[in-house]
Amino acid sequence: GAGVSQTPSNKVTEKGKYVELRCDPISGHTALYWYRQSLGQGPEFLIYFQGTGAADDSGLPNDRFFAVRPEGSVSTLKIQRTERGDSAVYLCASSLSGLAATNEQFFGPGTRLTVL
Amino acid sequence: DAKTTQPPSMDCAEGRAANLPCNHSTISGNEYVYWYRQIHSQGPQYIIHGLKNNETNEMASLIITEDRKSSTLILPHATLRDTAVYYCIVRPWSGYSTLTFGKGTMLLVSP
Repeated sequence: GAGVSQTPSNKVTEKGKYVELRCDPISGHTALYWYRQSLGQGPEFLIYFQGTGAADDSGLPNDRFFAVRPEGSVSTLKIQRTERGDSAVYLCASSLSGLAATNEQFFGPGTRLTVL
Repeated sequence: DAKTTQPPSMDCAEGRAANLPCNHSTISGNEYVYWYRQIHSQGPQYIIHGLKNNETNEMASLIITEDRKSSTLILPHATLRDTAVYYCIVRPWSGYSTLTFGKGTMLLVSP
């Protein structure tokens, strides 16, 4: 079956612009996660959705970052007033449920964001 | 901060076993050991997890020491496609928790 998909695969923007990154999770997965990965580092947690609600947004670095999942499926990560430091690969993952540690997370290929 | 320590890099000859160590000396009794890997330009991929018993699946084996303070991921017959960064992660077995990645081990499999 289809895995997690993310669009666009690459996004180049200018400092100060607004960007939206989209994640399509595996059908039926209620849990969705966003991570950010800088060069040479492991992925860093941003936010976790259980259904439509953000159950944990403790990883969002500041209020320029926001994410939604209005129907409990597709999610959009929104970044306002982008800065060069926001340049990274943004990864999305989904799992059947976020409430059991044994539910593995399936990752998408990521969106590479470059802020000039 | 990640609760695990891994060597930054390892080499392995194609066809040989790759043994990737991980130290998790502060692991709690309710925490599993997870392994993920990330091939270049792809998202991380789940490999295996375990609590205290050794585990094996089609991808790898996981050996956890009796005191649970360290573990080893074994790829029995490494191929060139196993070249990747391997992440060892500890995570509670109940309730909600996310994955906390460290820098992992870059495994290079050579012909």
